[in-house]
Amino acid sequence: IAGITQAPTSQILAAGRRMTLRCTQDMRHNAMYWYRQDLGLGLRLIHYSNTAGTTGKGEVPDGYSVSRANTDDFPLTLASAVPSQTSVYFCASSPQGGTRNEQFFGPGTRLTVL
Amino acid sequence: AQSVTQPDIHITVSEGASLELRCNYSYGATPYLFWYVQSPGQGLQLLLKYFSGDTLVQGIKGFEAEFKRSQSSFNLRKPSVHWSDAAEYFCAVGATGGGNKLTFGTGTQLKVEL
Repeated sequence: IAGITQAPTSQILAAGRRMTLRCTQDMRHNAMYWYRQDLGLGLRLIHYSNTAGTTGKGEVPDGYSVSRANTDDFPLTLASAVPSQTSVYFCASSPQGGTRNEQFFGPGTRLTVL
Repeated sequence: AQSVTQPDIHITVSEGASLELRCNYSYGATPYLFWYVQSPGQGLQLLLKYFSGDTLVQGIKGFEAEFKRSQSSFNLRKPSVHWSDAAEYFCAVGATGGGNKLTFGTGTQLKVEL
């Protein structure tokens, strides 16, 4: 089934630990995105990638890093997790970069940092 | 910078009743406008989008939205709500001058009473 998969579904993490959230899409989309969703704040863009090999910073990039080694995968890494990074994280993709293109979302990863 | 306001955090309607969810945006020109729906535990799904042209746009699941430039609004409507429409609805704005940043509203939670 075509779409976006995210792993893990949920995770509880101790503060200071390193964590990588995985995202894979099989739609051969060029652009991929990471958002965090917090109650009362909607979705905020963390990082994006318009094509394999390139990445860019979104609205709230501090404390997060990404890589885009190939078209399909776009992992998000928290180098040293802090409680304020407790959130639901969504990966998304679109055929091309830019805001004109529909973004397709994964099911999300619920992360709790204690 | 663009911004989006969804003034209603929660809305409750009876099944079969009409629905209107409000969205106001701030942007220097006509932006790209989107409505997404999020069912519990799921990612976001695009309902409809407006880029230009006819100001009344039709979407999936019987939803429509009307762009009103004079009011900077893009309200979502449905003539007759079904119980399965209970979900959270997000309005989003995209800049037309390039870039990747979609700005999401804080969402409206819709409850449908049977």
